Amino acid sequence: DTGVSQDPRHKITKRGQNVTFRCDPISEHNRLYWYRQTLGQGPEFLTYFQNEAQLEKSRLLSDRFSAERPKGSFSTLEIQRTEQGDSAMYLCASSSPRLPGDEQFFGPGTRLTVL
Amino acid sequence: EDQVTQSPEALRLQEGESSSLNCSYTVSGLRGLFWYRQDPGKGPEFLFTLYSAGEEKEKERLKATLTKKESFLHITAPKPEDSATYLCAVQARGGSARQLTFGSGTQLTVLP
Repeated sequence: DTGVSQDPRHKITKRGQNVTFRCDPISEHNRLYWYRQTLGQGPEFLTYFQNEAQLEKSRLLSDRFSAERPKGSFSTLEIQRTEQGDSAMYLCASSSPRLPGDEQFFGPGTRLTVL
Repeated sequence: EDQVTQSPEALRLQEGESSSLNCSYTVSGLRGLFWYRQDPGKGPEFLFTLYSAGEEKEKERLKATLTKKESFLHITAPKPEDSATYLCAVQARGGSARQLTFGSGTQLTVLP
C-alpha cells in the first residue's frame, strides 16, 4: 500500500466544461475527505464520507459540485460548468477510526486550471 | 466558527538557526490539533497530532507543543531540507464532523 492516490494529477479545461477527479484512499481507511487549496492558502474542507455515506458538506460546495463514493472505496468529485474561480488544487485525504488520532493522510492532489 | 491563524507568513533562517512557528486557534471544543508539512506541488504530509494543553511531541529536529489557545512548532538546528510550508489545523469535537480547519501556513526557507 502506497498511500492515497489521485487521478489525474493535472487537468486543464475550458470554462463551462465538466471535469471529474478520482481519489483512491488507503485501503483500510473508511473515512474520505475532499479539500480545495488555492495559492498561499491552507486547504479548505469540501466534503466528507464515512464508508459510502456523505456525512458533511461545506457551504463552499455549490450545486455545481458533486461527490460520490459508491462502494465505500474510491471517490469521485465532479465539477459541472467550470468557472475560472474553480482553478485550484483539489486534495483528497483518508483516515481510519482505528488510528489513535484520526489523522488524515493526503494524496498528491489534482491541479485544475480553468481557462 | 473555528479559526486558525499562523505566524509568521514566511520565515528565512540560516542553517542551524533555531526558531519557532506559531499557530493560534479558536475552536468549539478541541478534538485535536494537527501539524503538516507541504512541499511545493504536493499534498500535505502528516507530522503530529496534539490533543490537550501541555502535550509535546518530537520528530527529528521538530517539536510541537500545545496550550489552550496556541501551538508552537519548534525547529532546532534546521537544515535546507526542512524548507517547506508548515500547516496547522484543528479538528472540533462533537457530532459527525471530522473536517480539519487549516491556517494559511508558514513558508519556511532554510539557507545553507
